[in-house]
Amino acid sequence: QSVLTQPPSVSAAPGQKVTISCSGSSSNIGNNYVSWYQQLPGTAPKLLIYDNNKRPSGIPDRFSGSKSGTSATLGITGLQTGDEADYYCGTWDSSLSVGVFGGGTKLTVL
Amino acid sequence: EVQLVESGGVVVQPGGSLRLSCAASGFTFDDYAMHWVRQAPGKGLEWVSLISWDGGSTYYADSVKGRFTISRDNSKNSLYLQMNSLRAEDTALYYCAKDIGYGGNSGAFDIWGQGTMVTVSS
Repeated sequence: QSVLTQPPSVSAAPGQKVTISCSGSSSNIGNNYVSWYQQLPGTAPKLLIYDNNKRPSGIPDRFSGSKSGTSATLGITGLQTGDEADYYCGTWDSSLSVGVFGGGTKLTVL
Repeated sequence: EVQLVESGGVVVQPGGSLRLSCAASGFTFDDYAMHWVRQAPGKGLEWVSLISWDGGSTYYADSVKGRFTISRDNSKNSLYLQMNSLRAEDTALYYCAKDIGYGGNSGAFDIWGQGTMVTVSS
């Protein structure tokens, strides 16, 4: 059971937009920055979003992040078949003094 | 090129010990906190441990506290994870990851290694 809650799967057609939610509590998302990771099959995770809504160099602006209260959202526009992957949210939990991840969301581009 | 390369993963018996290493290159290693994150086969990511830039502060997931020890040698640009009293549930791909925050723990990991596989089995 993950500390952060994500939907197990989402799907959408190529070119469409999809959002992935991440729900936590005041001790984690509510008081810390959220990051998002993409993990393509057989590869290491890749940072997509940090500090709730910042993109590292090289990440296209099709990927966006937002946070409100104890929830965060990853948005992906202009979906491509290459976006099919597992997506994870993560943050720090100030009460437990541990890092925490969501259980992951599998994105299928139909 | 910024790079992290893990090593040391093997098959070990329950109750055994193992030391993982992570060699860093392409950035100023002692400016950043470092983490270990693991992923059991077919499962999601699990944060394992954090060490501050100077090694002065360490944090652990409850699942490994008291059994695992994180350390670093800044003179060798290397991160380590000493794993004792290993259990079957410790079987996973272990990644080292660089914290994105300069000088502190931001909770975000911008550089990941390729991972090293630890299998605990008799």
